[in-house]
Amino acid sequence: AQKVTQAQTEISVVEKEDVTLDCVYETRDTTYYLFWYKQPPSGELVFLIRRNSFDEQNEISGRYSWNFQKSTSSFNFTITASQVVDSAVYFCALTEGDNYGQNFVFGPGTRLSVLP
Amino acid sequence: DAGVTQSPTHLIKTRGQQVTLRCSPKSGHDTVSWYQQALGQGPQFIFQYYEEEERQRGNFPDRFSGHQFPNYSSELNVNALLLGDSALYLCASSPDRGYGYTFGSGTRLTVV
Repeated sequence: AQKVTQAQTEISVVEKEDVTLDCVYETRDTTYYLFWYKQPPSGELVFLIRRNSFDEQNEISGRYSWNFQKSTSSFNFTITASQVVDSAVYFCALTEGDNYGQNFVFGPGTRLSVLP
Repeated sequence: DAGVTQSPTHLIKTRGQQVTLRCSPKSGHDTVSWYQQALGQGPQFIFQYYEEEERQRGNFPDRFSGHQFPNYSSELNVNALLLGDSALYLCASSPDRGYGYTFGSGTRLTVV
């Protein structure tokens, strides 16, 4: 069975601080895909990154970076020099290879508040 | 290029009633998925439609049904509404088994 855990329910930081959002996943498949989405108050889910199970390279995109470690089944997300506009709910999600594009399993989300 | 469009934006229904939510997929996408997001929780997969048929279904009762039209748009129907059906309903479209899974802004359903 698939499962995604985001242990941090809410995080508050002051602007310009770095913050890391944790994600731990469970799957029996050897081929799977991991995602991070951002959900601002408007409601839509904004795609941030996709990573497949065979690519453990860390990725950096501007102030965002992701650390994928298969050994610990974790896919953590770091925002460097946070800004008020980063305030949102962030979801980690998983889909298995055979079901790609069919069924996403989401974690419960982490609400990030960046205070000015 | 319009993304995924959902209507209505907000809806209030009475317990026991029926509701229909609508979704127009992003141009070029032929697959539509529906998710339910209760307050404070992550989205949960309801079902997916491809070629006008339900391809996969999550753990939701038969009160939840759907339809996909030849133009790839989709409807989600919920019968005999319960208070617990109050949630944000998200539609997502994608190319079949391809990248580019795109979500709409959702329909917020309140059951009173």
